[in-house]
Amino acid sequence: SQELEQSPQSLIVQEGKNLTINCTSSKTLYGLYWYKQKYGEGLIFLMMLQKGGEEKSHEKITAKLDEKKQQSSLHITASQPSHAGIYLCGAEMDTGRRALTFGSGTRLQVQP
Amino acid sequence: DAGVIQSPRHEVTEMGQEVTLRCKPISGHNSLFWYRQTMMRGLELLIYFNNNVPIDDSGMPEDRFSAKMPNASFSTLKIQPSEPRDSAVYFCASSFGRINQPQHFGDGTRLSIL
Repeated sequence: SQELEQSPQSLIVQEGKNLTINCTSSKTLYGLYWYKQKYGEGLIFLMMLQKGGEEKSHEKITAKLDEKKQQSSLHITASQPSHAGIYLCGAEMDTGRRALTFGSGTRLQVQP
Repeated sequence: DAGVIQSPRHEVTEMGQEVTLRCKPISGHNSLFWYRQTMMRGLELLIYFNNNVPIDDSGMPEDRFSAKMPNASFSTLKIQPSEPRDSAVYFCASSFGRINQPQHFGDGTRLSIL
């Protein structure tokens, strides 16, 4: 969706390296969700951010939502081959509308 | 716990045929969403239900598409007649109906219309 821009579109990193994926909107985000998808499978929920400045971590993945609630970043520390997949950000763009608008995704490859 | 269950996982059919996709949401979830994923358009919402009632169907492409949710544990998405441009992966997701609740996705139905 053009309402939600993800960058980069694809990323190849060496195992052990850190990386960051960005998700940007021109509108206020009322809820920001990060998902991971492997080919041929469904989306796996990673984290949800609601408040400006919020930061959450799970294992080696950290997600942040900026103060203006218009940009989020997903950071992976010491990447592993198991981190490979497509990362999608999804957002509630309007209050009360619970359906998500998704970014186009970032394809991550981690080379051993 | 059982996640969102979709069937069939794969469907190949000829254009003009009726296609029915099925979804069983997670027990206790009262919001259900149908999304479609293609290379060109990414993941986009088709329709969503809250307490079995359609709330937003603005993403349904045209009259050939219809969705129903006869009860809290079952939903269908029907395409009649199907066309090659309907080929995509169709996902069903469910969540609790309160705000800021994550949606949990099924594994999708990969649909190919020949």
